[in-house]
Amino acid sequence: DAGVIQSPRHEVTEMGQEVTLRCKPISGHDYLFWYRQTMMRGLELLIYFNNNVPIDDSGMPEDRFSAKMPNASFSTLKIQPSEPRDSAVYFCASSSGRDYTFGSGTRLTVV
Amino acid sequence: GENVEQHPSTLSVQEGDSAVIKCTYSDSASNYFPWYKQELGKRPQLIIDIRSNVGEKKDQRIAVTLNKTAKHFSLHITETQPEDSAVYFCAASIRAGETSGSRLTFGEGTQLTVNP
Repeated sequence: DAGVIQSPRHEVTEMGQEVTLRCKPISGHDYLFWYRQTMMRGLELLIYFNNNVPIDDSGMPEDRFSAKMPNASFSTLKIQPSEPRDSAVYFCASSSGRDYTFGSGTRLTVV
Repeated sequence: GENVEQHPSTLSVQEGDSAVIKCTYSDSASNYFPWYKQELGKRPQLIIDIRSNVGEKKDQRIAVTLNKTAKHFSLHITETQPEDSAVYFCAASIRAGETSGSRLTFGEGTQLTVNP
């Protein structure tokens, strides 16, 4: 298995633009998580899904952030419009009974 | 919900010394406690985990201990090496079974620096 796959690895965008981050979880994993990591706030859980259904989105900072999981093999995190304070590394992780694996992350820079 | 506290936030040791990182958790139903290592610019990666039915687990230079009564668990690294320098995260969760995943609640991380 190739692990949790995230794209893009790096994204630089201008303030106000829409940003879409993508994640392919490990096949067979029934949970998917989106995290944001910054120096100031550490590792923050934004939202997580169980069997493609959003369970807890209380970590989503505001309405500009949205996440979807249309099927078991794909999820997106969208920021619209983006702001400089959204600059961070965004990690996706997936989990099964024996495994909890992070993707390589997307480094987002909003200028 | 679960709350995990981790100490210290930074730890500096000399090469060859031992390092200990401690975590406490709040939910007595938690039964799974992994530790993750995150090197600079990389993803967090699982290095060791322990379940509530054991008190200690060892893997070469790394060991984890669990005290369920006190609700705390610790990571011990012996004979530290410069390549052990990283951020270490503890976590806790309630794992219902062997097939289903679960949500992890993470501590805030410890920046370990091993000086040559």
